[in-house]
Amino acid sequence: DAGVTQSPTHLIKTRGQHVTLRCSPISGHKSVSWYQQVLGQGPQFIFQYYEKEERGRGNFPDRFSARQFPNYSSELNVNALLLGDSALYLCASSRGGSYGYTFGSGTRLTVV
Amino acid sequence: KQEVTQIPAALSVPEGENLVLNCSFTDSAIYNLQWFRQDPGKGLTSLLLIQSSQREQTSGRLNASLDKSSGRSTLYIAASQPGDSATYLCATQGGSEKLVFGKGTKLTVNP
Repeated sequence: DAGVTQSPTHLIKTRGQHVTLRCSPISGHKSVSWYQQVLGQGPQFIFQYYEKEERGRGNFPDRFSARQFPNYSSELNVNALLLGDSALYLCASSRGGSYGYTFGSGTRLTVV
Repeated sequence: KQEVTQIPAALSVPEGENLVLNCSFTDSAIYNLQWFRQDPGKGLTSLLLIQSSQREQTSGRLNASLDKSSGRSTLYIAASQPGDSATYLCATQGGSEKLVFGKGTKLTVNP
């Protein structure tokens, strides 16, 4: 089985632009979460979706939004990009509950 | 609000040494605790998952323990190898199902 796949792997955007990051979970996993990791820090929770419904949102501005599709894949959207949005964006999937999470390889976003 | 702390922030050891990485958390109401490995610029690889009802988990040269009452977990690595060099992150999962991470311990194993 394929693991969690994220696309693209790297991305360079200009301040003020919009970006869409994509994630495909492990087959059978209905929960998808997004995390932001800046250099030298642990990942910070952004969103969690389960069965296409938002289950949780971290302390991020409204410029960040996400959705989950019927096939359980997910998109993370960020509007009006700031330099401070430069980070590694990680997607994780889970069967739900206390089964633990599997992470993808991440998308490295650089805002210039 | 859960806070997770990892000590030390960095550790350098000679090859073959046994070592312990520490993780502490403030809220003991967790579902589980997960240890991850992260290579530079890469995603997270899950190493061990300890459910709240368990005391420890083992995988190969790795052993993780969990003491909920004291808010502590340790990751023991036996006979360390240069290939073990990476950043090790611990994360707790509570009722909200989100993971709360520490900042990690950067391990360097010298040949």
